[in-house]
Amino acid sequence: AQTVTQSQPEMSVQEAETVTLSCTYDTSENNYYLFWYKQPPSRQMILVIRQEAYKQQNATENRFSVNFQKAAKSFSLKISDSQLGDTAMYFCAFGPSGNTPLVFGKGTRLSVIA
Amino acid sequence: EPEVTQTPSHQVTQMGQEVILRCVPISNHLYFYWYRQILGQKVEFLVSFYNNEISEKSEIFDDQFSVERPDGSNFTLKIRSTKLEDSAMYFCASKDSYSNQPQHFGDGTRLSIL
Repeated sequence: AQTVTQSQPEMSVQEAETVTLSCTYDTSENNYYLFWYKQPPSRQMILVIRQEAYKQQNATENRFSVNFQKAAKSFSLKISDSQLGDTAMYFCAFGPSGNTPLVFGKGTRLSVIA
Repeated sequence: EPEVTQTPSHQVTQMGQEVILRCVPISNHLYFYWYRQILGQKVEFLVSFYNNEISEKSEIFDDQFSVERPDGSNFTLKIRSTKLEDSAMYFCASKDSYSNQPQHFGDGTRLSIL
């Protein structure tokens, strides 16, 4: 069974600084998808960024980027120029194939401090 | 941008009662999912639905739960004889047929069992 591990229950960062959230996963699959979802206090689930395992290039979305290390099964999220609105729970999620259910990590609570 | 819509946003129910949580997926999506998040815990998969039938379900999804797509737009989760431990946030998600596209989540229904 696939598992997703987020080893940092809580993190904090100063506004405008950079923070990296870690995620590791375990799978025997070769093709799969990885996601980071943001859950603000309102508890919506908002897709931040995604990575397809067959793509070597790391995904980027504006201030958000990932460091995908397939051999190490690592998928970290880097947030640059942190903003107060980035304060939220961040969940790493693994998708074994395109349409199968997602497996989530336990989340990292990020606080951006002014 | 199209959205997944969930109603109600908050449901309070007496233990033992039945509840129906409603979701309107994005109109051209074909895969539908229900997830649950107990307060402070990770998001857990309940059930997926495709082509008018359940395609996969987790061990959480026992006989107490059922899903239905009663018409062309709604996707419902029914919980019979609710228990205190059913209190959670319930998320609906939908996805189109392309394997590289992500699941889109609704804003969730907060279910409180008294």
